[in-house]
Amino acid sequence: SQQGEEDPQALSIQEGENATMNCSYKTSINNLQWYRQNSGRGLVHLILIRSNEREKHSGRLRVTLDTSKKSSSLLITASRAADTASYFCATDANDYKLSFGAGTTVTVRA
Amino acid sequence: ETGVTQSPTHLIKTRGQQVTLRCSSQSGHNTVSWYQQALGQGPQFIFQYYREEENGRGNFPPRFSGLQFPNYSSELNVNALELDDSALYLCASSLTGGPYNSPLHFGNGTRLTVT
Repeated sequence: SQQGEEDPQALSIQEGENATMNCSYKTSINNLQWYRQNSGRGLVHLILIRSNEREKHSGRLRVTLDTSKKSSSLLITASRAADTASYFCATDANDYKLSFGAGTTVTVRA
Repeated sequence: ETGVTQSPTHLIKTRGQQVTLRCSSQSGHNTVSWYQQALGQGPQFIFQYYREEENGRGNFPPRFSGLQFPNYSSELNVNALELDDSALYLCASSLTGGPYNSPLHFGNGTRLTVT
């Protein structure tokens, strides 16, 4: 079973718009990470947020974490065609593995 | 700095056969994790190796086994292949004994098709 659940499952936006996706999880965590996967390839780490952090930025990415609600969000600002990919949240619950959700597929239209 | 490399990239096997997938870790990384990703799903944790020993295992049967070598490269072996084993198999390396605050570096995977 998967720890994280992303919402929405799919998202289609115009180039230049912002994309927001959410992740909910079930158990307490050490940290939460977001990854990107281009079609059929390996995952690329985007950003890590620790359980004692509430917000983190990296370039055009903004991640928030609300441990009381067991949820996180990823915001991609000023989207580009190259942002078209699947995005996964992954939780580290102090049990040696990362648990991934089913992902959000983002399509950026030119 | 070399990244994580996996071989082969694609593989077609028949039900009941055995398969070995290979992974070379990113230089300096001592931990390897293997994930199975079915089409349209997120990666599912198979197991992790740290310093040549299994450090944790997901909900996969014993016919899934692995090895880690002294140079931190790794193999995933699957015996008695079933149709449901068709998936993208991802290897990821990291530093230290687990993913604690340590991002995973993934290879591009091996696409296994079982017919």
